[in-house]
Amino acid sequence: DAKTTQPPSMDCAEGRAANLPCNHSTISGNEYVYWYRQIHSQGPQYIIHGLKNNETNEMASLIITEDRKSSTLILPHATLRDTAVYYCIVRVDAGGTSYGKLTFGQGTILTVHP
Amino acid sequence: DAMVIQNPRYQVTQFGKPVTLSCSQTLNHNVMYWYQQKSSQAPKLLFHYYDKDFNNEADTPDNFQSRRPNTSFCFLDIRSPGLGDAAMYLCATSRAGTSYEQYFGPGTRLTVT
Repeated sequence: DAKTTQPPSMDCAEGRAANLPCNHSTISGNEYVYWYRQIHSQGPQYIIHGLKNNETNEMASLIITEDRKSSTLILPHATLRDTAVYYCIVRVDAGGTSYGKLTFGQGTILTVHP
Repeated sequence: DAMVIQNPRYQVTQFGKPVTLSCSQTLNHNVMYWYQQKSSQAPKLLFHYYDKDFNNEADTPDNFQSRRPNTSFCFLDIRSPGLGDAAMYLCATSRAGTSYEQYFGPGTRLTVT
């Protein structure tokens, strides 16, 4: 399994962009990068995923470096409700079937302040 | 329009007294997962079902078992809870062959007295 490394905590001012980095230097060519977040006392929530190209959805943007050894999750206009633990996960195929197990690391605690 | 439902949200059990946590889903997903999350730790996968096929993680204690009687429901049984089993238990689902994103329920917080 490819290991991910994230800073333990980050701060961001409300209304500013939050840029959360993740290192995954041992990622394999067919492994995707997934981002989830977990707001206090709730279940994790899927944010976005990507393989090689940059991705954007209504929640965030995902920038993956060309060598795929790192990525950045961007929340373009952070709000107080974005305060959460953000997990960067490399998807592991479960025995060759068409779905993946998730191995959560420690994540980054993002605190958005007024 | 709840998608993954976990009952109860809070469960208190006594040391050694069997307890069952339940999960149901309205997404018709064929994969269901159970995670354990202890305080200030990341979620840890215990096992998962792909349709009716049960897949246990290598380090999941024998004290933890699961049942999936149909597509919609999945149960987590803890045969003899110890104090170390106090945690949040999270159920998740996914549909094989799609984007592989998992949908999580709100969790059941288990207290062992």
